[in-house]
Amino acid sequence: QLQLQESGPGLVKPSETLSLTCTVSGGSISSSSYYWGWIRQPPGKGLEWIGSIYYSGSTYYNPSLKSRVTISVDTSKNQFSLKLSSVTAADTAVYYCARHTLLGLELDVWGQGTTVTVSS
Amino acid sequence: QSALTQPASVSGSPGQSITISCTGTSSDVGSYNLVSWYQQHPGKAPKLMIYEVSKRPSGVSNRFSGSKSGNTASLTISGLQAEDEADYYCCSYAGSSTFEVVFGGGTKLTVL
Repeated sequence: QLQLQESGPGLVKPSETLSLTCTVSGGSISSSSYYWGWIRQPPGKGLEWIGSIYYSGSTYYNPSLKSRVTISVDTSKNQFSLKLSSVTAADTAVYYCARHTLLGLELDVWGQGTTVTVSS
Repeated sequence: QSALTQPASVSGSPGQSITISCTGTSSDVGSYNLVSWYQQHPGKAPKLMIYEVSKRPSGVSNRFSGSKSGNTASLTISGLQAEDEADYYCCSYAGSSTFEVVFGGGTKLTVL
């Protein structure tokens, strides 16, 4: 059974770079049938798509975050990663990694989420 | 990219049916049959309930159904149960020239 697990610092200082990794287990990140995405949820608010990546390295970003976001994939480790630069308190959120199907683009498998707080 | 529009809250009594709407534009919901719905209980990750407008993943109750008309998608839950109380989010593909995804603002379902 496919599982996704987010990892990374829970506290990031303002203006610094947030870095998270999603480890995929029970399946291969190199499958041609899926994209891999990052979604976040600020406290008490809704879901926001951050961006997604294909195993080949092709990346797609939310236009509102594009200037600050980098998503990368490491197929040898079965992981993909998120970097968000110049963070502010507005970037405080639960960050989820998830799998998109290629055909319907639905997010069918999610990680449990990791809370990141931006504070000095 | 603007968020899809959902009602902030809906409610219903056990056994009743409710419908949650999700309004987008001709650039997202109206152009693609790539609308999905997610259920989220407090403190938990979202769970896929409907994909490609009206398809149900294996294991999801047939009390959940989806539809679309024009720029508005809908999620209907019939035979409401206490365990259905949760937040529900719609999501649509929105990329005409590139891969782009947009979520709705979410709807809190209260089972009275």
